[in-house]
Amino acid sequence: DGGITQSPKYLFRKEGQNVTLSCEQNLNHDAMYWYRQDPGQGLRLIYYSQIVNDFQKGDIAEGYSVSREKKESFPLTVTSAQKNPTAFYLCATTPGTGFPNYEQYFGPGTRLTVT
Amino acid sequence: EDKVVQSPLSLVVHEGDTVTLNCSYEVTNFRSLLWYKQEKKAPTFLFMLTSSGIEKKSGRLSSILDKKELFSILNITATQTGDSAVYLCAVRGGATNKLIFGTGTLLAVQP
Repeated sequence: DGGITQSPKYLFRKEGQNVTLSCEQNLNHDAMYWYRQDPGQGLRLIYYSQIVNDFQKGDIAEGYSVSREKKESFPLTVTSAQKNPTAFYLCATTPGTGFPNYEQYFGPGTRLTVT
Repeated sequence: EDKVVQSPLSLVVHEGDTVTLNCSYEVTNFRSLLWYKQEKKAPTFLFMLTSSGIEKKSGRLSSILDKKELFSILNITATQTGDSAVYLCAVRGGATNKLIFGTGTLLAVQP
């Protein structure tokens, strides 16, 4: 059963705590992405990785960190430096590197609430 | 600055109606335009358009791209309550060939 899994589905944290969101894929895709979605706004790119052990900042990387130690996994850490962390977080993948002209495949998302 | 603008922001129709969703863009180095449907979870892919004037069709949904006027439309005929969702438009391009998303159109189909 191929696909992208994100866990947990819902996550609650206290302000000031770091939290790590999981994203795992068994599609054998090279590129992985993290987006943030807020009400009334489109998806905004946080970080992306085209190959293992390499990643680049997206448009809103401040307060976030990532790692890409394995092709299948691209965890996102929301740090206490992120001013407004409450949002819906989506992980996505595409086959190939160099932003090929393919659609992106999305995981089911994690809804993070920080109080 | 590269941008993608969708209209309307939201729309309420009755079952059986036909709807047209709009997506206009100002993106350098245009490569493709994609439509997704999002029902409170993962966006699911609908269409990718790269050539102007060629309609993509899947059942009751169809889409066309106008690269001269920099817009695309998504048509849904004979709408059903299951069509209720946010429809996202995204354009691949810009300096880094990433996907640039619009804010989405929220479609509600009433019985």
